[in-house]
Amino acid sequence: DAGVTQSPTHLIKTRGQQVTLRCSPKSGHDTVSWYQQALGQGPQFIFQYYEEEERQRGNFPDRFSGHQFPNYSSELNVNALLLGDSALYLCASSLGQWKYEQYFGPGTRLTVT
Amino acid sequence: AQSVTQPDIHITVSEGASLELRCNYSYGATPYLFWYVQSPGQGLQLLLKYFSGDTLVQGIKGFEAEFKRSQSSFNLRKPSVHWSDAAEYFCAVGATNAGKSTFGDGTTLTVKP
Repeated sequence: DAGVTQSPTHLIKTRGQQVTLRCSPKSGHDTVSWYQQALGQGPQFIFQYYEEEERQRGNFPDRFSGHQFPNYSSELNVNALLLGDSALYLCASSLGQWKYEQYFGPGTRLTVT
Repeated sequence: AQSVTQPDIHITVSEGASLELRCNYSYGATPYLFWYVQSPGQGLQLLLKYFSGDTLVQGIKGFEAEFKRSQSSFNLRKPSVHWSDAAEYFCAVGATNAGKSTFGDGTTLTVKP
């Protein structure tokens, strides 16, 4: 049973560029949440996707957007990258929008130079 | 708004000694509470969770946590620490009306031989 997978593992981008991160949820899960974890901090909730729609959103600007596909996989897009966007981006999946038992992927380390 | 405070940034214990990691939360209603562990380069693994019922919760790897409503605390304990427990530990709270979690900034555990 595959757990949550994320790609790529590491990514280096330049300020102003755009980036797309990908997540495949644990088998059987239909809800995907994205978190940003800056160095030395806890994860911060970006948004959650359920039934291909954004259902919840944290305090992140519109530069952060996402998508969920019919197979429940998800993408996180960040436009106009800033140095402060450098972080570990974590994807978590769960079965159902209101279920708190989330399974996290290993994350994508984004470095913006 | 919900929030989580982990007062100890870094804790060092000797192998075989007992461990207690502190977590204080702020939330208006009965919270959903979680402890996660994160090893270097890896995602978050759920150790245990509290939704309701018995205030002493047992988790994986020999960990337990106690929910104390009067103190707004959910401290994590382990009677005997193993070298493999060295990692970052995060406490999180989930609101009952939203499918997202708010994390503390974590406590780094170092285990001395």
